[in-house]
Amino acid sequence: DAGITQSPRYKITETGRQVTLMCHQTWSHSYMFWYRQDLGHGLRLIYYSAAADITDKGEVPDGYVVSRSKTENFPLTLESATRSQTSVYFCASSVGLAGRLGADTQYFGPGTRLTVL
Amino acid sequence: AQSVTQPDIHITVSEGASLELRCNYSYGATPYLFWYVQSPGQGLQLLLKYFSGDTLVQGIKGFEAEFKRSQSSFNLRKPSVHWSDAAEYFCAVAHAGNNRKLIWGLGTSLAVNP
Repeated sequence: DAGITQSPRYKITETGRQVTLMCHQTWSHSYMFWYRQDLGHGLRLIYYSAAADITDKGEVPDGYVVSRSKTENFPLTLESATRSQTSVYFCASSVGLAGRLGADTQYFGPGTRLTVL
Repeated sequence: AQSVTQPDIHITVSEGASLELRCNYSYGATPYLFWYVQSPGQGLQLLLKYFSGDTLVQGIKGFEAEFKRSQSSFNLRKPSVHWSDAAEYFCAVAHAGNNRKLIWGLGTSLAVNP
């Protein structure tokens, strides 16, 4: 039972290059999220997805692109990486059942540490 | 706008001592509240959550939290800290407009002295 995985775990790239971070979950959760974690800023939501082919912006979406053609995958692409995008990126998923009371637990992947030179 | 405040950026306690991590939220209605823990180099893991009912919530690893509406607080406690509890702790509240999204505090880093 793999749960939620991210790849690569570490990535070094150069300014201006395109980078794609992968996220895969085996639970068939409806919701998936991308966060970045930076010192002094905590976790900031980049994009999220309620289901396949449904995505929406979070609080810091600029410079990022997402897609979700399959329920289990939610790749994050940096179209032209900048130094300010050096960060640790976390993917998360939650059940997201319609009509479910309360709010869902989010399950996190191990993170990808991205360095942009 | 909703927000979550964790007043303590860093806390150091001795092993065996009690622990309380503070969390305050701003939200008019009854919030859905969470505490997550992040061990070094790891992703976040849910410790406990509050939706309704009993205001004292039990979680994993011996943690508990108490929801106090009058103080807009959801403080995390543990009676006796273990060295393995050294980690970053995050408080979060579900977004009012879409409770699938979470609004996060900036975290409290816990160090444990032997």
